Amino acid sequence: EPEVTQTPSHQVTQMGQEVILRCVPISNHLYFYWYRQILGQKVEFLVSFYNNEISEKSEIFDDQFSVERPDGSNFTLKIRSTKLEDSAMYFCASTASGPTQETQYFGPGTRLLVL
Amino acid sequence: DAKTTQPTSMDCAEGRAANLPCNHSTISGNEYVYWYRQIHSQGPQYIIHGLKNNETNEMASLIITEDRKSSTLILPHATLRDTAVYYCIVRGSQGNLIFGKGTKLSVKP
Repeated sequence: EPEVTQTPSHQVTQMGQEVILRCVPISNHLYFYWYRQILGQKVEFLVSFYNNEISEKSEIFDDQFSVERPDGSNFTLKIRSTKLEDSAMYFCASTASGPTQETQYFGPGTRLLVL
Repeated sequence: DAKTTQPTSMDCAEGRAANLPCNHSTISGNEYVYWYRQIHSQGPQYIIHGLKNNETNEMASLIITEDRKSSTLILPHATLRDTAVYYCIVRGSQGNLIFGKGTKLSVKP
């Protein structure tokens, strides 16, 4: 069964460093999402991406964040200068088509720890 | 976007049916109800979704009231592996999922 994969599973970084989280969505999917979950809190939407551009973003997704699909398979989330409060689980999700009706399938997540 | 209300926690005996309720009284006519679950800190796992009619798949059944203001997720024979946080979600207008705190289901032997 096809699934969303994410690398790395764990990332430890120093405050102020740049990190890139990688996701490989399900192969025929067209819409991509990033969510995050701070320990003990709710899963929060960050950004959605379609046709090589951002469709929607939350207020969390500020100028420190960026997304791209560099090679037609990977979907990346970059945090330019990490802060302590960026420590969280980051989940990628994808859906085949039509953002409002198709089911989103999530990857296993990347645990980011900023020291 | 519609808001959902779920009990904070529930217990269920292994082998029995788990019935997880959800209120979504402000749901609009074209909004779907989705159920996901999250085991520990793993990625949310899709369970089932529906619009108006009751739905069933290999994991669960979804019962939606006629006025669509509430629904119930049914796990027919709960196992210890079904212990998780279950989220009832009404899809956001832009397609993003808006997670609440969910119901922590504990399946006990």
